[in-house]
Amino acid sequence: DAKTTQPPSMDCAEGRAANLPCNHSTISGNEYVYWYRQIHSQGPQYIIHGLKNNETNEMASLIITEDRKSSTLILPHATLRDTAVYYCIRGAAGNKLTFGGGTRVLVKP
Amino acid sequence: GAVVSQHPSWVICKSGTSVKIECRSLDFQATTMFWYRQFPKQSLMLMATSNEGSKATYEQGVEKDKFLINHASLTLSTLTVTSAHPEDSSFYICSAREYMNTEAFFGQGTRLTVV
Repeated sequence: DAKTTQPPSMDCAEGRAANLPCNHSTISGNEYVYWYRQIHSQGPQYIIHGLKNNETNEMASLIITEDRKSSTLILPHATLRDTAVYYCIRGAAGNKLTFGGGTRVLVKP
Repeated sequence: GAVVSQHPSWVICKSGTSVKIECRSLDFQATTMFWYRQFPKQSLMLMATSNEGSKATYEQGVEKDKFLINHASLTLSTLTVTSAHPEDSSFYICSAREYMNTEAFFGQGTRLTVV
C-alpha cells in the first residue's frame, strides 16, 4: 500500500514549469513527503523532501498544503532530460520507502 | 547527494546457480539498507530491509532462503540470489540511508538475467 496517489502520466513543454501533484490525505504527523525520479533503466534519483514547510533546492521546489494532505513538485524549467517517472512517497524518518505507480512525465520540445 | 554503488551493473547466469550483488555506500555510513526488485514497466517492490549487524527483515511473500541478505558493515550490503531461475530475472536496486538522515539514496541497479 503506497498510500499516495499520483496521475499516471503527464506531458509538459520544454522550458516551461512542470507541476506534479500528489495526494497523501492520510499522512501522519511524523511522515515526510519524498520525491524521487527514475530515468529508464537507472536507479531512482532523490529530488527533494519535506515535512510541512515548502522546500526548494537546485532541482525543484516542493509545495505542501497547510493540511499536508497533498503536495506539488515543481520543476521550474523542464528540459528533455527531465523525462522520467516521478514518485511521491510518504514515510517516517528512517523507515522504509514504499513506491507507488508514479507519474510518467514526458517533456516535449 | 550521497553516492551508492552497486556491482555488477548486469549479470547473466545459468539456472540453478547463485548470484551475489553488492551495494556500497561510498561517502557515508549506511545503518540501514533496502533491497528492491523491479520488473519491466512496473514500480519498485521492496524486498527487504537490513540494518548493520542484524538480520534482514523481509517483506511478505519474499523468500528469505532464496534471497540472502548480509549487511556486515556500515558501507556494504550484499544480496545473494540462490538457485536462480528464469523468473528471478529482474532489475535489482539497493538503497542506503544514514542514521538520522531522512532521505535514502539509490544505487544504479543490477540487471539479472537467468538463462
